[in-house]
Amino acid sequence: DVKVTQSSRYLVKRTGEKVFLECVQDMDHENMFWYRQDPGLGLRLIYFSYDVKMKEKGDIPEGYSVSREKKERFSLILESASTNQTSMYLCASSSSLYEQFFGPGTRLTVL
Amino acid sequence: GDSVTQMEGPVTLSEEAFLTINCTYTATGYPSLFWYVQYPGEGLQLLLKATKADDKGSNKGFEATYRKETTSFHLEKGSVQVSDSAVYFCALTLSGTYKYIFGTGTRLKVLA
Repeated sequence: DVKVTQSSRYLVKRTGEKVFLECVQDMDHENMFWYRQDPGLGLRLIYFSYDVKMKEKGDIPEGYSVSREKKERFSLILESASTNQTSMYLCASSSSLYEQFFGPGTRLTVL
Repeated sequence: GDSVTQMEGPVTLSEEAFLTINCTYTATGYPSLFWYVQYPGEGLQLLLKATKADDKGSNKGFEATYRKETTSFHLEKGSVQVSDSAVYFCALTLSGTYKYIFGTGTRLKVLA
């Protein structure tokens, strides 16, 4: 069974902390994505990666960075967390032109 | 630009009622179209897909037909169950791009 896993289901951090969200996929997919999901706004793309060490900005990259050192792993980094980054974060992977497979999500609260 | 528009929810139905969730799209090329479902507290799961005009995707009693002439991909189910209560997302992806574009989601609540 294909799988995308995320390091935490729930996370509580303080303003100014550096936050790491990790995502691992076991399908040998080239493409990986980070979204945030907020009520009424749907899914918004933060960053995506189409190969190891390659990354592209999505629609809302400000305040975030990413790292992809290995094909199966894609990390989202909040350099200095702020309260407006409280959200559900979803990781996904895909092979080109096909459907995305999503992880269970990480609900991040920044106090 | 490319976009997906879904009907606003929530949609509340009684068990065994007929379901339609409307989805229309705008795309510069020939997209592949998807419906995803998100159950409470979980990530999104692919429900069905269609990759070319007139294709019908189906799964678990849900169906959607890719209509190029009306740029639509409406989701239907003949008889909903309480367990179908979830948020449904329509999405598209275009050949030659890495991006997937999602609608804002439609919450479905099915009452026993």
